[in-house]
Amino acid sequence: EAQVTQNPRYLITVTGKKLTVTCSQNMNHEYMSWYRQDPGLGLRQIYYSMNVEVTDKGDVPEGYKVSRKEKRNFPLILESPSPNQTSLYFCASSTGTETSGKYNEQFFGPGTRLTVL
Amino acid sequence: KNQVEQSPQSLIILEGKNCTLQCNYTVSPFSNLRWYKQDTGRGPVSLTIMTFSENTKSNGRYTATLDADTKQSSLHITASQLSDSASYICVVSGDYNTDKLIFGTGTRLQVFP
Repeated sequence: EAQVTQNPRYLITVTGKKLTVTCSQNMNHEYMSWYRQDPGLGLRQIYYSMNVEVTDKGDVPEGYKVSRKEKRNFPLILESPSPNQTSLYFCASSTGTETSGKYNEQFFGPGTRLTVL
Repeated sequence: KNQVEQSPQSLIILEGKNCTLQCNYTVSPFSNLRWYKQDTGRGPVSLTIMTFSENTKSNGRYTATLDADTKQSSLHITASQLSDSASYICVVSGDYNTDKLIFGTGTRLQVFP
């Protein structure tokens, strides 16, 4: 089954304790992205990757790191989590970008609910 | 500033009734507009995607319209079912080189029997 998986689905941690949220897709997609979703706000992009070894900042990258060593995996790293990073996180992937008004559907993972105490 | 605004914020309807959700955007340049359905605690799932040259697209009981001149879109749900209870998010892609998406805050729809 074509899907995007995230682990863990739920995580409670304390301020300053490094953590990693994994994201994996089995669709051979080039493009992957991380979003956070907070009440009253639309999804906001944290980081994205156009391909292996290519990553770039989104709208809210502060306090996060990513890596793209393999095409299928795109982990999100919080080196020193703080309470304002408590949120619902989504990973997404798509086949990549095209020109001339075409589009690429993004497939979202099930989400990771993170609480930082 | 690139923005996507949705209305209403929330909506309650009875099973079997129709409803229409609205989306206004100020994103420029414009590449495409998408409607997603998000069940509580789950990831968004795509319903429709439209480019500027498409003014209507259907997916079962869901029909999306797009007016690129007025920068408005709507999502019409016909003969609602209890399973339609979810948040519906309007998303605009403004840059097809980076596939950057700008998300609305969603309309929370509740369908009651």
